[in-house]
Amino acid sequence: AQTVTQSQPEMSVQEAETVTLSCTYDTSENNYYLFWYKQPPSRQMILVIRQEAYKQQNATENRFSVNFQKAAKSFSLKISDSQLGDTAMYFCAFYGNTPLVFGKGTRLSVIA
Amino acid sequence: DVKVTQSSRYLVKRTGEKVFLECVQDMDHENMFWYRQDPGLGLRLIYFSYDVKMKEKGDIPEGYSVSREKKERFSLILESASTNQTSMYLCASTKREPDYTFGSGTRLTVV
Repeated sequence: AQTVTQSQPEMSVQEAETVTLSCTYDTSENNYYLFWYKQPPSRQMILVIRQEAYKQQNATENRFSVNFQKAAKSFSLKISDSQLGDTAMYFCAFYGNTPLVFGKGTRLSVIA
Repeated sequence: DVKVTQSSRYLVKRTGEKVFLECVQDMDHENMFWYRQDPGLGLRLIYFSYDVKMKEKGDIPEGYSVSREKKERFSLILESASTNQTSMYLCASTKREPDYTFGSGTRLTVV
């Protein structure tokens, strides 16, 4: 069974600074997808970024980028120029032909 | 935009009650899922369905059942609610995995 580990329950960052959220996973599959979801206080799960395992290039979406290390089974999220609206729970998730498996989440607070 | 609608945002029920959590999607998605979200535990899969009348157990099915009589509706049933089922429940759907669309959640309190 796949597992996803987020080792940072809580983090904080100053506005305009950069922060990195960690995620590791365990799988025996070769083809899979990895995701970062954001859940603000509204509770709506918002897809931040996704990475397909066969792609070597790291995914980027505006201020959000990932560092995907397939051999190390690591998938960290970097948020640049942090904004107050980035305050939320962030979940790392794995998909490999079974329903999405989530990590326990990291609560990120952006401080003015 | 695809919408996944959960009928209640907040729900308070008594111990022993039969509880129905409803989820409806409007884009003809085949696949639907129920997750439970608890602080420090993340999201855990309760049940899922890949077609009408079909259901599969997830990681924590105990104390729950589901119903999918129509393609657009996936109901989570707590046969006899208990206080340890107090939680946030999230429904999701997808036509083609892994592009999930989530509902806004139902926060259930069992007293």
